[in-house]
Amino acid sequence: GIQVEQSPPDLILQEGANSTLRCNFSDSVNNLQWFHQNPWGQLINLFYIPSGTKQNGRLSATTVATERYSLLYISSSQTTDSGVYFCAVVHPSYNFNKFYFGSGTKLNVKP
Amino acid sequence: EPEVTQTPSHQVTQMGQEVILRCVPISNHLYFYWYRQILGQKVEFLVSFYNNEISEKSEIFDDQFSVERPDGSNFTLKIRSTKLEDSAMYFCASRWNSGNTIYFGEGSWLTVV
Repeated sequence: GIQVEQSPPDLILQEGANSTLRCNFSDSVNNLQWFHQNPWGQLINLFYIPSGTKQNGRLSATTVATERYSLLYISSSQTTDSGVYFCAVVHPSYNFNKFYFGSGTKLNVKP
Repeated sequence: EPEVTQTPSHQVTQMGQEVILRCVPISNHLYFYWYRQILGQKVEFLVSFYNNEISEKSEIFDDQFSVERPDGSNFTLKIRSTKLEDSAMYFCASRWNSGNTIYFGEGSWLTVV
């Protein structure tokens, strides 16, 4: 299967700071999504971004599929941004969206 | 925004007991999934379901596991005889079509004692 590596594994920010989370993957992908797992365990969709750049409020994401990485930017972080951020990818050989998840970046935003 | 809903949110069961986790996928979606996450670990794929049959399953999804879509709205995961190592958060997910965003439910936390 595809290897998905996320960095950094842990991140502590002061409220208001900006951050960049990285996701590297070992093979071509035709689906990539970023998720936020909140402290209650819920997986919340952030972006469906197999390629290109998208923005949603304070969050934006860029995927460079040819170089096998994706970046998630969080600007002006808030305490509610705390949680674990997962990148998940699908290899083109899988038509049924078998996601491979990274180990996540655990973000703690302090007030 | 439409949601995938799961019940129960938390279940504690004795080892060896059968457990059924229930999911209501988003109504016009065609592809359904179960994933699980052992505490502190990655989210892992269990099974995908399309056109009323399993389309793919992982090595985790052994004979103790089964899935069913008993009617037009529910999608269930059954664990026939639970083991301690089945303790995990189980996520149901669905999507409309190939290439579309996949949506996860809120999860069902299973504790086997």
